[in-house]
Amino acid sequence: LAKTTQPISMDSYEGQEVNITCSHNNIATNDYITWYQQFPSQGPRFIIQGYKTKVTNEVASLFIPADRKSSTLSLPRVSLSDTAVYYCLVGYNTDKLIFGTGTRLQVFP
Amino acid sequence: ETGVTQSPTHLIKTRGQQVTLRCSSQSGHNTVSWYQQALGQGPQFIFQYYREEENGRGNFPPRFSGLQFPNYSSELNVNALELDDSALYLCASSPSGGEGSKAFFGQGTRLTVV
Repeated sequence: LAKTTQPISMDSYEGQEVNITCSHNNIATNDYITWYQQFPSQGPRFIIQGYKTKVTNEVASLFIPADRKSSTLSLPRVSLSDTAVYYCLVGYNTDKLIFGTGTRLQVFP
Repeated sequence: ETGVTQSPTHLIKTRGQQVTLRCSSQSGHNTVSWYQQALGQGPQFIFQYYREEENGRGNFPPRFSGLQFPNYSSELNVNALELDDSALYLCASSPSGGEGSKAFFGQGTRLTVV
């Protein structure tokens, strides 16, 4: 499975847009890109998934360039409750999800 | 929220003891995976069950074992507990043949080994 690289931590303020970029240079043709959010002592929560171009849902957008070697999770107008760890994963199915250490997002008032 | 429930939520065991953790998968999902998450780390894959058979295993010793039942619920058993087994244990369910890494996690069981 492709390895991903993302920033260890990011800081933001309420109301700002946050963009977290993930590198996955060895992504395979069939792999999807999936982002999870995790709060302390809770299980990861699925946020968004995409294969190419742009995907948007009620909580986030996912931008994937044509070469698919990176992706950017965009959180519009973050609030304090968006403080969490965000994980980027790549894979074709749910066999053996490989989590890195994720990006710890801290939102300040 | 995800339909995946785990029990118990917290557990304290003594080194050398055995523990069983339980997971009920989301309705319609026949694949269950277990993960171990140490403090400050991402979840690490333990194994996956599909239709009551083990379908892949991570780098965990044989004292970590599991079961899946006909209703697709699952158990994780850990024998001869060690202090390093203290972690959050997560169960994730997914539909078979699902494209992408879209799994739904339970809230986890916090295991403390003393």
